[in-house]
Amino acid sequence: EVQLVESGGGLIQSGGSLRLACAASEFIVSNKFINWVRQAPGKGLEWVSSIYSGGTTYYADSVKGRFTFSRDNSKNTLYLQMSSLRDDDTAIYYCVGSHCPTCGMDLWGQGTTVTVSS
Amino acid sequence: SYELTQPPSVSVSPGQTARITCSGDALPKQYVYWYQQKPGQAPVMVIYKDTERPSGIPERISGSNSGTTVTLTISGVQAEDEADYYCQSVDSSGTYVTFGGGTKLTVL
Repeated sequence: EVQLVESGGGLIQSGGSLRLACAASEFIVSNKFINWVRQAPGKGLEWVSSIYSGGTTYYADSVKGRFTFSRDNSKNTLYLQMSSLRDDDTAIYYCVGSHCPTCGMDLWGQGTTVTVSS
Repeated sequence: SYELTQPPSVSVSPGQTARITCSGDALPKQYVYWYQQKPGQAPVMVIYKDTERPSGIPERISGSNSGTTVTLTISGVQAEDEADYYCQSVDSSGTYVTFGGGTKLTVL
């Protein structure tokens, strides 16, 4: 089954670091446009970061300089390294795939929850 | 940063037509995508490239584009359509992804 499975969420103190992983099944991540999208409790969807098939990454202003999106092609897995975490980073983090940058986000993981506590 | 504007809520009776708008300056040049999210579930894409419907999405869900405003239309609304709906696009450079604030569709 084609799917993305996130892991690595948890409870972390403000100012701490956490690494989320997104493992892909039945497709090659290096060929896809992948995003991280988060949703704070009771709030809407917020784009966090994108990685293109060529490896170029982009970040929302709210996480730029604190989060790093990377890819390990040998493991077919993507990572979101999060540092200097703040209370407002508390959210469900979804790993979301697209067949191409203009194809829409058609493959969503189940999400992993990050809770930042001060 | 680029913004997409949606109404916070829309309410319709079963069988009626629901229309949810999304406004943004770059919409004449960039595609819009729509996602449906039910409580406790991940979002599901219901419209891509302004008007295209993914397989498995019912024909009563459609999208249209009129310049800086796009519209998601759900005809013959059913109870199962009650959900949050989000539009998504990119800025004028085509680089940065943006979501609208979301619209809660209530079926009366």
